[in-house]
Amino acid sequence: DIQLTQSPSFLSASVGDRVTITCRASQGIGSYLGWYQQKPGKAPKLLIYGASILQGGVPPRFSGSGLGTEFTLTIDSLQPEDFATYYCQQLNSYLPITFGQGTRLEIK
Amino acid sequence: QVKLQESGPGLVKPSQTLSLTCTVSGGSIRSSGYYWSWIRQNPGKGLEWLGYISYSGTTSYNPSLKSRLIISADTSKNEFSLKVSSVTAADTAVYYCARASSRYSSSSLEFDPWGPGNLVTVSS
Repeated sequence: DIQLTQSPSFLSASVGDRVTITCRASQGIGSYLGWYQQKPGKAPKLLIYGASILQGGVPPRFSGSGLGTEFTLTIDSLQPEDFATYYCQQLNSYLPITFGQGTRLEIK
Repeated sequence: QVKLQESGPGLVKPSQTLSLTCTVSGGSIRSSGYYWSWIRQNPGKGLEWLGYISYSGTTSYNPSLKSRLIISADTSKNEFSLKVSSVTAADTAVYYCARASSRYSSSSLEFDPWGPGNLVTVSS
């Protein structure tokens, strides 16, 4: 299985900040990487797929980049509703689908 | 707008079979290109993909759990189901159903939308 390791596991930031979360894959996965946002007591929500393609309805302050084994999720100008836990996901269905362990983003 | 809703018991005894159903509204589970999936989340292991049943009825399972899983569908009720056999405390989790599609490429699976989740506790 492809292991996905996110860093940091915990991030404290303020409204208006720019933050970056990293997801590293144990082997190259091209652009087969997605990002999800999960708020307490709710299901995850798809934000980005194909490493950098924004899901419809997701604000443009969210962006993704990367290829191969290293990927990033960037949130520009944090809004109060962005404080949540973020997960990356390996998208290639020819391999077992796996998720990163999560990055919890909290208000400083 | 497609919506999914899980249903099933919240408590299962060890060694028994866990059974959950996902009811889909706003769209047909026979719609081409969709893969009706189960994912679980527990504090110890995070999010874990369990498997899916496709619009055509084919199934795919996580190899680590494959021997204990069965995913099936009832098209007349527009719902699909999950059975996990021989459960232990390690199967305690919130179980989500989700629709997967291949937005990025024909071999990719992205999960959207998800149901709200159903907490299942395995305990005697």
